[in-house]
Amino acid sequence: KQEVTQIPAALSVPEGENLVLNCSFTDSAIYNLQWFRQDPGKGLTSLLLIQSSQREQTSGRLNASLDKSSGRSTLYIAASQPGDSATYLCAVSRGYGQNFVFGPGTRLSVLP
Amino acid sequence: GAVVSQHPSRVICKSGTSVKIECRSLDFQATTMFWYRQFPKQSLMLMATSNEGSKATYEQGVEKDKFLINHASLTLSTLTVTSAHPEDSSFYICSAAGGARYNEQFFGPGTRLTVL
Repeated sequence: KQEVTQIPAALSVPEGENLVLNCSFTDSAIYNLQWFRQDPGKGLTSLLLIQSSQREQTSGRLNASLDKSSGRSTLYIAASQPGDSATYLCAVSRGYGQNFVFGPGTRLSVLP
Repeated sequence: GAVVSQHPSRVICKSGTSVKIECRSLDFQATTMFWYRQFPKQSLMLMATSNEGSKATYEQGVEKDKFLINHASLTLSTLTVTSAHPEDSSFYICSAAGGARYNEQFFGPGTRLTVL
């Protein structure tokens, strides 16, 4: 059974810092991995989708890497801003059109 | 990306009543839809998977007679919480996959259910 963990559970940083969020999964036989952002009481916003054959994806200040063999992914946020404050969820899918298994999330606070 | 809507966004009901939540894919045909539940300060947990025209597959521990799922068309799936109790209060999110972008899933905005 796939299990996804995320470290740290919570993180508080001053504005402008670069930061790294970590995600680990127990079964390396994944189809893809996706990072989401969730604001309090809101739904999910997709940030980056990495297919199993890819090593990384970039969008603006965000960079996600995937090391499938070791069961790890990182989300790098450059020059953090208060607007980045949210919970960041990592999720993996085991196959084409299969459901996602979510990690518990990292609650990020960026202080002005 | 593709658009998935949910209705209602928020619902409050009395204990013992039934509530229906709709999930619609607006610009693609969703052959598969997933229903997730998120309790406060917890992550999303899969409840069931529904494929158009067939019965839903429920995860272990999810009562199929309590959480009725219907996926009668390629653009609509419904989740009905029957005889709702306060412990059913949660955030319900659907996602959809299908069409040319079947390798991706698109998530709805979620429905906040509060049972009094």
